[in-house]
Amino acid sequence: DAGITQSPRHKVTETGTPVTLRCHQTENHRYMYWYRQDPGHGLRLIHYSYGVKDTDKGEVSDGYSVSRSKTEDFLLTLESATSSQTSVYFCAISVKRALDTEAFFGQGTRLTVV
Amino acid sequence: GDSVTQMEGPVTLSEEAFLTINCTYTATGYPSLFWYVQYPGEGLQLLLKATKADDKGSNKGFEATYRKETTSFHLEKGSVQVSDSAVYFCALSDPGNYGGSQGNLIFGKGTKLSVKP
Repeated sequence: DAGITQSPRHKVTETGTPVTLRCHQTENHRYMYWYRQDPGHGLRLIHYSYGVKDTDKGEVSDGYSVSRSKTEDFLLTLESATSSQTSVYFCAISVKRALDTEAFFGQGTRLTVV
Repeated sequence: GDSVTQMEGPVTLSEEAFLTINCTYTATGYPSLFWYVQYPGEGLQLLLKATKADDKGSNKGFEATYRKETTSFHLEKGSVQVSDSAVYFCALSDPGNYGGSQGNLIFGKGTKLSVKP
């Protein structure tokens, strides 16, 4: 699992409240990603980071922000949660090899917004 | 932009049946291609990969061949087992996409496979 830990694993929150999900890695990989997984959509990229304080938007970034103040931690924040953000969120890191890159995923966080 | 299309599920097979899950892609560059598997309640795990045309990736009895002429990367297994029940995702990594030189992964929508004893 490349030492990736997501917390919390499950969360139920109310509409309009802020929520922060944490991804922690133990191997100092430079690239980290946040995806959301929804039925019929597969996995879609929310934000990614290519270093401390270096982040950029993905395909579905609206309503989300991220921060990376340390190499090992990548935080995803929903400033004001909405029901459309009910989803399973996966953090991933990528490892660059000679011919390609390989991604490793955390166990996921199931978020329910009521 | 780049995209991945894989066959709709769910797919239900009997044990020892032959499996094919179709995957086609659109890419502007020369992507690497991947199959990931997700078992119930878990994250995604890399199943196999191929980095260039005509490469064959294989693992745990699964195979897929990178076909540039048909832009396909179909997943096959000769004899499925109950333990193969999972969701399978085809994905590509193109350095031109989000993620800069690392190449973000673009996923298909997933195909759920159920194998009955």
